[in-house]
Amino acid sequence: QTVVTQEPSFSVSPGGTVTLTCGFNSGSVSTSNFPTWCQQTPGQAPRTLVYNTNSRSSGVPDRFSGSILGNKAALTITGAQADDESHYYCVLFMPGGFWLFGGGTKVTVL
Amino acid sequence: EVQLVESGGGLVQPGGSLRLSCAASGFSFSSYWMHWVRQAPGKGLVWVSRINSDGSITTYADSVKGRFTISRDNARNTLNLQMNSLRAEDTAVYYCACGPGLAPRYWGQGTQVTVSS
Repeated sequence: QTVVTQEPSFSVSPGGTVTLTCGFNSGSVSTSNFPTWCQQTPGQAPRTLVYNTNSRSSGVPDRFSGSILGNKAALTITGAQADDESHYYCVLFMPGGFWLFGGGTKVTVL
Repeated sequence: EVQLVESGGGLVQPGGSLRLSCAASGFSFSSYWMHWVRQAPGKGLVWVSRINSDGSITTYADSVKGRFTISRDNARNTLNLQMNSLRAEDTAVYYCACGPGLAPRYWGQGTQVTVSS
């Protein structure tokens, strides 16, 4: 069974940089998986930050950037701010036409 | 502006049924694949089902196959999810979501489904 792996948690200092990753338990993530990163704060709906590997959604600050690093998708937050404290979910498009979600990464800014 | 507004959630007994709807506006609904995603309390996001643009192809997660049916009405810009034989583990917030393209770009605000006696 294919599983999408994400770090459970990360801590970053205000103004610091953090890179979250998204991989498969077996195999490599590619641009053909259209990697997408969504942000979710408690009680709120998800919000797509980055889609198709590295395209930012409208209104998303440029401190959020997406890429492929090795065999994983990555989301880098450069110059973290207090309101970046949130859960971040990776979503991958799979053959067969469905989405596979990672378990999410909780980012703490302190 | 793209808007997705879910409705139809509520409290239902185990074995019961519920029909969720998602009203879409601000984009060419009939051109987009549409998806349902759910989130159990305190848990992560899980994909549930998707339907292609003309409704001819549907796909389901194994956990809901045979119990849930996704459908759409392109004339009314509405996505539906008929949920039968509901179980306690179906308790979640249900979101509709869509592209354009194959990645999730837009999300609704969600509707709560609680399965309990």
